[in-house]
Amino acid sequence: DVKVTQSSRYLVKRTGEKVFLECVQDMDHENMFWYRQDPGLGLRLIYFSYDVKMKEKGDIPEGYSVSREKKERFSLILESASTNQTSMYLCASSRTGRPGGEKLFFGSGTQLSVL
Amino acid sequence: GQQLNQSPQSMFIQEGEDVSMNCTSSSIFNTWLWYKQDPGEGPVLLIALYKAGELTSNGRLTAQFGITRKDSFLNISASIPSDVGIYFCAGQLYNAGNMLTFGGGTRLMVKP
Repeated sequence: DVKVTQSSRYLVKRTGEKVFLECVQDMDHENMFWYRQDPGLGLRLIYFSYDVKMKEKGDIPEGYSVSREKKERFSLILESASTNQTSMYLCASSRTGRPGGEKLFFGSGTQLSVL
Repeated sequence: GQQLNQSPQSMFIQEGEDVSMNCTSSSIFNTWLWYKQDPGEGPVLLIALYKAGELTSNGRLTAQFGITRKDSFLNISASIPSDVGIYFCAGQLYNAGNMLTFGGGTRLMVKP
């Protein structure tokens, strides 16, 4: 089974802090994604990457950056955390191609609270 | 980005009842998927649909790809307490690579 591991289940940070969320997948997937989940808004895409060192903006990239130095690892960075970034963050991965590439495998999520 | 309207937002039902939820869009999708998120976990894929009109089952779950390609439906028969969670629909446009658009989710609560 695919395993997507997020480094922290819960994080509490202060406004203005730099925050790193780490995600690792073990199935050699080309594509990796970062979503945030807010009640009633579903899952909104922040950034995605289809290859090492490649990144593309999703629907809500403002206030975030990402890093993908190795195929299995995709990091989300909040340069200066703000209270409106309090949310559940979900990492996902998928392989390239159809059919099957549309199927995302998610980590368990990181609940981030910014005080 | 694209919008998927998922309804209802939440449901509180009695164990044993059947459940229906749906997703609609103004755009035509090439693929529809249904995910379930258990409390404290990430979403897990339940069913994938690839053709208009397709009807696919996974145990007590049945999902359909709408004929217009702008909607999809998920039915759960004879609900049980472990069906509790948030159900998300997701659609993929033909030329969108691996990009998915997610609905807002349906929170299902089951009373034993």
